[in-house]
Amino acid sequence: SQQGEEDPQALSIQEGENATMNCSYKTSINNLQWYRQNSGRGLVHLILIRSNEREKHSGRLRVTLDTSKKSSSLLITASRAADTASYFCATYNYGQNFVFGPGTRLSVLP
Amino acid sequence: GAGVSQTPSNKVTEKGKYVELRCDPISGHTALYWYRQSLGQGPEFLIYFQGTGAADDSGLPNDRFFAVRPEGSVSTLKIQRTERGDSAVYLCASSLVQGNEQFFGPGTRLTVL
Repeated sequence: SQQGEEDPQALSIQEGENATMNCSYKTSINNLQWYRQNSGRGLVHLILIRSNEREKHSGRLRVTLDTSKKSSSLLITASRAADTASYFCATYNYGQNFVFGPGTRLSVLP
Repeated sequence: GAGVSQTPSNKVTEKGKYVELRCDPISGHTALYWYRQSLGQGPEFLIYFQGTGAADDSGLPNDRFFAVRPEGSVSTLKIQRTERGDSAVYLCASSLVQGNEQFFGPGTRLTVL
């Protein structure tokens, strides 16, 4: 069964605006990771947040995790056309394996 | 250093044929994963190797699918009697240890006619 569910399914913004994507999940996790995928091929790891962390930053990326609500958000600030991609959250728990959501397709218009 | 590589990049086959997809993980990565991704969907877990052994093959859809990693590095995903529904992008990923960030290969796009 699907663990992570991203929201929205698609997002279109202007260059320079911020983009926020959300991920909800159903069971306990050890960590949650965000990945980016361009043109339907390999995924690129963006950021990992552990279950005992609430917020992490990496460059223009900010990830939050609320384990009480079983949700995470990915914020991309000052977006660029090159940020156009699909973004996936993946949850991991000990003894289990990664479960990916269906993704958010982000379009950044110049 | 070299990333994860997958061959072939594209494979077109006929229904009923046998195919092998190869994955070369990053050297030293003990964990190796296979996923299948259909258009507009997220990667779907197939199998996970820790070293040479398949630690979790619960995602393999049926017994036509099999994967090996005999020396703990290169892995091959084998699909027998292919069906049109097997058409998808097959992704391989490796990580230093299970649960850490995964490094993905570019995928193999399999088309079954």
